[in-house]
Amino acid sequence: QVQLVESGGGVVQPGRSLRLSCAASGFIFRSYAMYWVRQAPGKGLEWVAVISHDGSKKYYGDSVKGRITISRDNSKNTVYLQMNSLRSEDTSVYYCVRGPWGSAGDHWGQGALVTVSS
Amino acid sequence: QSVLTQPPSASGTPGQRVTISCSGGSSNIEINFVYWYQQLPGTAPKLLIYRNNQRPSGVPDRFSGSKSGTSASLAISGLRSEDEADYYCAAWDDNLSGPVFGGGTKLTVL
Repeated sequence: QVQLVESGGGVVQPGRSLRLSCAASGFIFRSYAMYWVRQAPGKGLEWVAVISHDGSKKYYGDSVKGRITISRDNSKNTVYLQMNSLRSEDTSVYYCVRGPWGSAGDHWGQGALVTVSS
Repeated sequence: QSVLTQPPSASGTPGQRVTISCSGGSSNIEINFVYWYQQLPGTAPKLLIYRNNQRPSGVPDRFSGSKSGTSASLAISGLRSEDEADYYCAAWDDNLSGPVFGGGTKLTVL
């Protein structure tokens, strides 16, 4: 069955960096787009980034553009989210979501909590 | 401020039918598929409806989706206590090159 397992979350100071990873299994990873979607405490869902199946296309939400980079390693069935210059408003649970491209995703991981605080 | 607009709350009694609306625009709902997600307290969202009205295997046929123009709706018939959750609509947005979400609707089963 499809499994998406996020890791790398934690507490980080404002202005610092953090990298999230999402290990995928149970499907042909290289055939699917991958998304990151976040949810601030008590709030709704917000799209963060998307990457095409081969990594050739990457798009970002306006609130993180310029500070966040999505990437993937199809040989390791893993997608990454590099977050720089973190702000308190980036505090959220970050979900890894499987494609397809042009959708809002089908399978979701369990989420990784990122807390930005001094 | 979410790109897609949902009512913040909805409610019904067991056995009733409830609908949740989702309003968007010409760059998202009108030209792309609509997705619905159910989020139970403390858990990750789960796909409920894809491609406007398709149910993944395992989702009861009490849940149905529809779309017309720039709006969509989720209907839940035969309401049960376990349906109490947050529900989100979403669609790809061609202007943003990414998905947009509604603000979520909290469903209470009275």
